[in-house]
Amino acid sequence: QVQLQESGPGLVKPSQTLSLTCTVSGGSISGGYYYWTWIRQHPGKGLEWIGYIYHSGTTYYSPSLRSRLAMSVDTSKNQFSLNLSSVTAADTAIYYCARAYRGDWRFDPWGQGILVTVSS
Amino acid sequence: QSALTQPASVSGSPGQSITISCTGTYDDVGGYNYVSWYQHHPGKAPKLMIYEVTNRPSGVSNRFSGSKSGKTASLTISGLQAEDEADYFCSSYTSSSIWVFGGGTKVTVL
Repeated sequence: QVQLQESGPGLVKPSQTLSLTCTVSGGSISGGYYYWTWIRQHPGKGLEWIGYIYHSGTTYYSPSLRSRLAMSVDTSKNQFSLNLSSVTAADTAIYYCARAYRGDWRFDPWGQGILVTVSS
Repeated sequence: QSALTQPASVSGSPGQSITISCTGTYDDVGGYNYVSWYQHHPGKAPKLMIYEVTNRPSGVSNRFSGSKSGKTASLTISGLQAEDEADYFCSSYTSSSIWVFGGGTKVTVL
């Protein structure tokens, strides 16, 4: 059974880069028609899709975040990562990683999420 | 404000049926059958309940069902149980090739 777990700092200073990693266990990040996805939820608000990366390194980002966003994948460690630069308080959110199925576009499974606060 | 509109809360007594709506536009819910529903207990990983509007993943109770009419998708929980108390949110693929979500609905079992 595939499981995902987010990791990274819970506090980032404004203007710095938010860096998170998602570790995939119970299955290979290189297998199948999956897109490895990041989603976030601002406090008290709905969810926002951030973007995805394929095991080959192909990426697709939300237009609203594209200029500050970079994702990468490390197949040897079965991990994928998110880097969001020039953060502000508006980037404070719970960040989730999830696996998306190409074709029917379900997100399954998800990690339990990590709260990242942007504050000096 | 979320892209998809859901009621903030829905409640029901054990054994009853409840329905949660998810309203979008013809650029998302109304234009594609890629609507999914998730159950979320705060602090835990969201769980997929329904995908492609009506499909139920293996292991999900058949008390959960999905449907769609026009720009509105719906999740119905029949035979409501205490364990169903959670937040539920919907998701849809869009014509902009991104995904949007609902604001979430808190289900309370009375």
